[in-house]
Amino acid sequence: AQTVTQSQPEMSVQEAETVTLSCTYDTSESDYYLFWYKQPPSRQMILVIRQEAYKQQNATENRFSVNFQKAAKSFSLKISDSQLGDAAMYFCAYRSAGIDAGNMLTFGGGTRLMVKP
Amino acid sequence: KAGVTQTPRYLIKTRGQQVTLSCSPISGHRSVSWYQQTPGQGLQFLFEYFSETQRNKGNFPGRFSGRQFSNSRSEMNVSTLELGDSALYLCASSGRQDPRPSTEAFFGQGTRLTVV
Repeated sequence: AQTVTQSQPEMSVQEAETVTLSCTYDTSESDYYLFWYKQPPSRQMILVIRQEAYKQQNATENRFSVNFQKAAKSFSLKISDSQLGDAAMYFCAYRSAGIDAGNMLTFGGGTRLMVKP
Repeated sequence: KAGVTQTPRYLIKTRGQQVTLSCSPISGHRSVSWYQQTPGQGLQFLFEYFSETQRNKGNFPGRFSGRQFSNSRSEMNVSTLELGDSALYLCASSGRQDPRPSTEAFFGQGTRLTVV
């Protein structure tokens, strides 16, 4: 079974600064997807960024980028130019690419990000 | 395009009762997954339905069940409620028209269940 670990329960960052959230995972599969989801106080999970394991290039979405280290099974999220609206819980998630796995996501425990004005 | 809709948003039930939660996926999506979110256990996968068939099931007791209708709407049922079932229940829909995994899951705002 796959596991996802987020070792930082809480992080804080000054507005306009950069912060990196850590995620490690354990799997014996070679083909999979990794995601970062944001959960604001409204509770709705919002996809921030995704990475396909077969792609060596790190994914980027505007101010959000990842550092994907497949051999080390590490998948960190970097938020640049942090904004007050970035304050939320962030979850790292894993999904197998196999058909049998369907759309089942395995989540890490989450990191609460606080943004200081 | 309407998002994933979960009803009700809040629910209070008594121990021993049963409850049914509803999820309407994004139009055209055929996969619906359910997750339980608690402070202690985090986000845990309950089950997934695709085209009215349960495709995957998490490690939950048989008191947790679900189904999916021909219009892709899904319901989950919890029987004989326990205090530990208090949680936020999230539903996610995914858009592929075939069984291959989708690249993105869209979540609803959840149903907050409190068991007293």
